[in-house]
Amino acid sequence: AQSVTQLDSQVPVFEEAPVELRCNYSSSVSVYLFWYVQYPNQGLQLLLKYLSGSTLVKGINGFEAEFNKSQTSFHLRKPSVHISDTAEYFCAVGSGGSNYKLTFGKGTLLTVNP
Amino acid sequence: DTAVSQTPKYLVTQMGNDKSIKCEQNLGHDTMYWYKQDSKKFLKIMFSYNNKELIINETVPNRFSPKSPDKAHLNLHINSLELGDSAVYFCASSHTGGGNTIYFGEGSWLTVV
Repeated sequence: AQSVTQLDSQVPVFEEAPVELRCNYSSSVSVYLFWYVQYPNQGLQLLLKYLSGSTLVKGINGFEAEFNKSQTSFHLRKPSVHISDTAEYFCAVGSGGSNYKLTFGKGTLLTVNP
Repeated sequence: DTAVSQTPKYLVTQMGNDKSIKCEQNLGHDTMYWYKQDSKKFLKIMFSYNNKELIINETVPNRFSPKSPDKAHLNLHINSLELGDSAVYFCASSHTGGGNTIYFGEGSWLTVV
């Protein structure tokens, strides 16, 4: 069984400040980790994913995430946020095999204030 | 070109009605999904199909019946709609196998009154 915990339901920050959105996962099998972003009234867009290899993963829009196996974490970071980064962010863990699916966390609402 | 497209985007209907949401993907994927997002934004998988075969059925009521006429289409039919069915339904697709990116449609906002 897999699960994802996003530790913060809301994160307010000021424009140009750094931000970290926290994600912890639980999985009994090989781990594939994802971050998606959902802008208001839109679908989900992939920011980045970790499959294997380097633990630091770079994604779109200046976001990056670090996979930490010992802490079972996959935190998302951005050094300087913009107003346009205001959105809901979802961490997800993927199972392998023919019954492949993503299990999502409950989301973190990032609000960037001027 | 829209990769995963679903229609309608908005749907308001009365309790007890039957409605369908259609989904098509032009990415050449062989696996398609339906996810439900509730009012608290929680996303949960409902079904997945691989090459028209049902793979995942996550304890969804029998009133929900997916149909996949071919691997590029996955429709969702809902019978006897209830207030609790109000949600956003996302269609998605991917290549088969672990680690593949799942691409989502824009969502269908269903409101049952």
